Amino acid sequence: GAVVSQHPSWVICKSGTSVKIECRSLDFQATTMFWYRQFPKQSLMLMATSNEGSKATYEQGVEKDKFLINHASLTLSTLTVTSAHPEDSSFYICSAGLAGGPEETQYFGPGTRLLVL
Amino acid sequence: EDQVTQSPEALRLQEGESSSLNCSYTVSGLRGLFWYRQDPGKGPEFLFTLYSAGEEKEKERLKATLTKKESFLHITAPKPEDSATYLCAVSGSQGNLIFGKGTKLSVKP
Repeated sequence: GAVVSQHPSWVICKSGTSVKIECRSLDFQATTMFWYRQFPKQSLMLMATSNEGSKATYEQGVEKDKFLINHASLTLSTLTVTSAHPEDSSFYICSAGLAGGPEETQYFGPGTRLLVL
Repeated sequence: EDQVTQSPEALRLQEGESSSLNCSYTVSGLRGLFWYRQDPGKGPEFLFTLYSAGEEKEKERLKATLTKKESFLHITAPKPEDSATYLCAVSGSQGNLIFGKGTKLSVKP
């Protein structure tokens, strides 16, 4: 149980294009979903927190207009990297909190590797 | 400021050689301490949640313990398939997870 999927698993795009990453909770409803970014040999850094039907809360230093988050349902959240540039290349990971479960426990997706050329 | 420090950064063990990983934390109002396993190119896999000092949890060859300042992940008689990066995270009063940089464990046959 508590399986989270991400799509795509990897993407290569040209500088200036936009990329959408989907995060789905497959076998549970998620009250809250989180988006992280991880650089090589670094820890996970929280980018934003989103609740279904409301605006995402972004961490300090994360550009809201560049990283668009939509949490349309209790099982789906999307992250769109707009006008991507090479410095946006990273490993993006989503997680979901189990509705009705321990609110602090997050279950992570497999990640999406983004390479911007 | 909430902070998580893991040690060592890397640990090499022979198969069957037991050891411990350390996670020291500073957090205002601990709501939970979490251990995850992360394989290369994958997302973290949930292992344990600990809520209060003195609590212990076990899963196969892994045992996690918690004090007021740190947590240990004990690995008993590890196997090569236990090789991974082990991440520690805390949830404080802000409700967000704060991760350490992880300990990369390599178990040689």
